[in-house]
Amino acid sequence: AQSVAQPEDQVNVAEGNPLTVKCTYSVSGNPYLFWYVQYPNRGLQFLLKYITGDNLVKGSYGFEAEFNKSQTSFHLKKPSALVSDSALYFCAVRDDNYGQNFVFGPGTRLSVLP
Amino acid sequence: DAGVIQSPRHEVTEMGQEVTLRCKPISGHNSLFWYRQTMMRGLELLIYFNNNVPIDDSGMPEDRFSAKMPNASFSTLKIQPSEPRDSAVYFCASSLSTGKYYGYTFGSGTRLTVV
Repeated sequence: AQSVAQPEDQVNVAEGNPLTVKCTYSVSGNPYLFWYVQYPNRGLQFLLKYITGDNLVKGSYGFEAEFNKSQTSFHLKKPSALVSDSALYFCAVRDDNYGQNFVFGPGTRLSVLP
Repeated sequence: DAGVIQSPRHEVTEMGQEVTLRCKPISGHNSLFWYRQTMMRGLELLIYFNNNVPIDDSGMPEDRFSAKMPNASFSTLKIQPSEPRDSAVYFCASSLSTGKYYGYTFGSGTRLTVV
């Protein structure tokens, strides 16, 4: 079975500082990994994904994520946080040994303080 | 494309009433998902359809919940009778069946309040 963990409910960072939102996963086959962001009163929006290839993937709004197979992690990063990055972030994984569904993590609330 | 369209955006109803939530997926997408989001339980998959056929409804909380997809461009989620514990934001998402490469596109959600 597939599962996703986001060990931090809340991450606080000062504007201009680097940010990291953590994600670890468990799959039996090859993972397909996604990050989504949810702004207040909105649906989830796609940020970036890892399917195959380079372990460092770049996405929207300056975000990037590093796939680490040995640590089964896919942490979201940004070199310099903006107040407008404050939102709820979801990591999602799909195991290519199973059906179509992604499993979503519980979400991490990011607050960027001015 | 206008994206995944959900209606209504907000719904307030009294306990015991029937509630119907609606979703129009992205044209050409053949998979549709209904999720529920609450503070306590996070994002929960309720049911998903592939080519208009319900594939997995194991997440539907109880018989009061039902979902239909009569055609490729429309789906409904119905709660009858509604209860206060059904208060949540309900999201619809759609994808291509090769969604593992493209992920899901979510609607803006329906915020349901049952009083």
